[in-house]
Amino acid sequence: QLQLQESGPGLVKPSETLSLTCTVSGGSISSSTYYWGWIRQPPGKGLEWIGSIYYSGNTYYNPSLKSRVTISVDTSKNQFSLKLSSVTAADTAVYFCARHVGVWEQQLYYYYYYMDVWGKGTTVTVSS
Amino acid sequence: QLVLTQSPSASASLGASVKLTCTLSSGHSSYAIAWHQQQPEKGPRYLMKLNSDGSHSKGDGIPDRFSGSSSGAERYLTISSLQSEDEADYYCQTWGTGIGVFGTGTKVTVL
Repeated sequence: QLQLQESGPGLVKPSETLSLTCTVSGGSISSSTYYWGWIRQPPGKGLEWIGSIYYSGNTYYNPSLKSRVTISVDTSKNQFSLKLSSVTAADTAVYFCARHVGVWEQQLYYYYYYMDVWGKGTTVTVSS
Repeated sequence: QLVLTQSPSASASLGASVKLTCTLSSGHSSYAIAWHQQQPEKGPRYLMKLNSDGSHSKGDGIPDRFSGSSSGAERYLTISSLQSEDEADYYCQTWGTGIGVFGTGTKVTVL
């Protein structure tokens, strides 16, 4: 049974870099069908997609965060990581990692991705 | 721009049914979506992928009480025989050109 577990500091100072790691167990991160990504949820608000990565290193990023986000993968450790730079209080949120399943949509001629396995989330607070 | 619109809240009595709606923005009526459930203080849980023709594939262990359907740009999640544990937030999600998109979520209250 595939499981994802987020880890990292729960408190980050303003202007510093938030760093989180997602460890994948019960399956290989190098599977060709999947991307691996990050989603966050500010207190009392909805879900915001941050970005995702393929095991080869190809990435997609949310344009609203792209200038501050880096997602990387370590296949030897079956992990992928998130770095978010220059954080402010607005980056305070629960951060989730999730597996993204890819499906070819013939009608639209593109790959569609949806999240089918989620981690439990980790709370990150930005405060001095 | 690809946007998903959801009503903020819905409610129904224990044992009844509730139907949630997720509306795709203009020009995107052929897009598939996925439904996710988030119970209080928990991470999201994948329920199903729902195609524009109404066909859907559910996640492992998702009860038959959860079903999906489509009409034009609208995607529906119907929960039958409501249980107390169905009280949760429900999010729809789709995929644009290299970007994931979530709806704003619908809070379901079981009366």
